[in-house]
Amino acid sequence: EAGVAQSPRYKIIEKRQSVAFWCNPISGHATLYWYQQILGQGPKLLIQFQNNGVVDDSQLPKDRFSAERLKGVDSTLKIQPAKLEDSAVYLCASSFSGRSYGYTFGSGTRLTVV
Amino acid sequence: GQQLNQSPQSMFIQEGEDVSMNCTSSSIFNTWLWYKQDPGEGPVLLIALYKAGELTSNGRLTAQFGITRKDSFLNISASIPSDVGIYFCAGLGVLQGAQKLVFGQGTRLTINP
Repeated sequence: EAGVAQSPRYKIIEKRQSVAFWCNPISGHATLYWYQQILGQGPKLLIQFQNNGVVDDSQLPKDRFSAERLKGVDSTLKIQPAKLEDSAVYLCASSFSGRSYGYTFGSGTRLTVV
Repeated sequence: GQQLNQSPQSMFIQEGEDVSMNCTSSSIFNTWLWYKQDPGEGPVLLIALYKAGELTSNGRLTAQFGITRKDSFLNISASIPSDVGIYFCAGLGVLQGAQKLVFGQGTRLTINP
């Protein structure tokens, strides 16, 4: 079974620029998550989708972050404009039904904002 | 937001030693999970615990779901070099009206051969 695919692996941008990350979950997984992992910390949930609907985006900084999952399959996460404190690894995960044992993480996108 | 208190933050041990780390929370969780993260990769699930008091093993790894549902521990026996990495606990439960997976800060394990 193919894993969760993310791209790009690395991105360096200047502050106030825009950036977008892409995630393709495991086939058949209805639930998709975006996490932010700042260096030295555990992952923090940004947004959770069930199919193409948002289940939880309470920790998403909506003034600059947006995410969509238009067809209920792959997803994009955008930051516009980026700030220095957005430097982190952005992890995408998917699960079959939102249940704990089904979580599978991608390798992440490491974002550096300079 | 909700935090899990994971300790220790880092460990430096000799190959062959046993390792123990734990996680505590002020909130009750329905499920406790333990993940390992290698450099440049996403977390990989090691063990999942679903019932208070449950003790589960996966090879040299043993984890327990605390009776109070507010804590969990992970033990690694007879450590080997490939055990090096960052270990995260995670609790799954209803917080602020929604089911959420919350991670600890991680325990960085370093092994001297």
